[in-house]
Amino acid sequence: QLQLQESGPGLVRVSETLSLTCSVFGGSVSRNSHYWVWIRQPPGKGLEWMGSVYYSGTTYYSPSFKGRITMSIDTSKDQFSLMLTSASAADTASYFCVRQFAYGARFDYWGPGAFVTVS
Amino acid sequence: SYVLSAPLSVSVAPGQTASITCEGDKIGRKVVHWYQQKTGQAPLLVVYDDRIRPSEIPDRFSGSKSETTATLTISRVEAEDEADYYCQVWDSSSDYLYVFGSGTKVTVL
Repeated sequence: QLQLQESGPGLVRVSETLSLTCSVFGGSVSRNSHYWVWIRQPPGKGLEWMGSVYYSGTTYYSPSFKGRITMSIDTSKDQFSLMLTSASAADTASYFCVRQFAYGARFDYWGPGAFVTVS
Repeated sequence: SYVLSAPLSVSVAPGQTASITCEGDKIGRKVVHWYQQKTGQAPLLVVYDDRIRPSEIPDRFSGSKSETTATLTISRVEAEDEADYYCQVWDSSSDYLYVFGSGTKVTVL
């Protein structure tokens, strides 16, 4: 059974960089067709897709974050990461790392989420 | 960017049927997925590709779609079904790519 687990600081200072890593267990990030995704959810609000990364390093980012977001993947460690620069209070949210079955397809496995406060 | 509209809340008595709608422009031409999110938990995929249920999801959950509206139906509602439900589509025509509805809170009376 595939499992994902987010890790990183729970508190980030305003204007600094928010960094999170997702570790994948019970599977490989190198498997063909799957994309690896970050989705966030501000307190009391809905879900927002941030970006996706493929094992080749190909990335897709939401225009909402362009210029601030970088995603990367480490196939040797079965991890992928998120960096969000110039953090503000509006970035306070739960951040979920997610497996996407294929490009354009469903989000089928989710990590438990990491709550990050920007203050 | 593409917008999905859903009711803020739906209330249903145990044993009854809850219908959660999701509207979007020409949604009939898109593939819709549904997620359940209980308080303090990560979302869980309950229906994908409009109407397919993952094996671990009870058959009380079903999905359907018309040209204008996607619907998640929960039959024989149980207390454990109380959660937020989100519809989601892939908008290949936009850089925003993956769009979620605003979420519907299902309350079991």
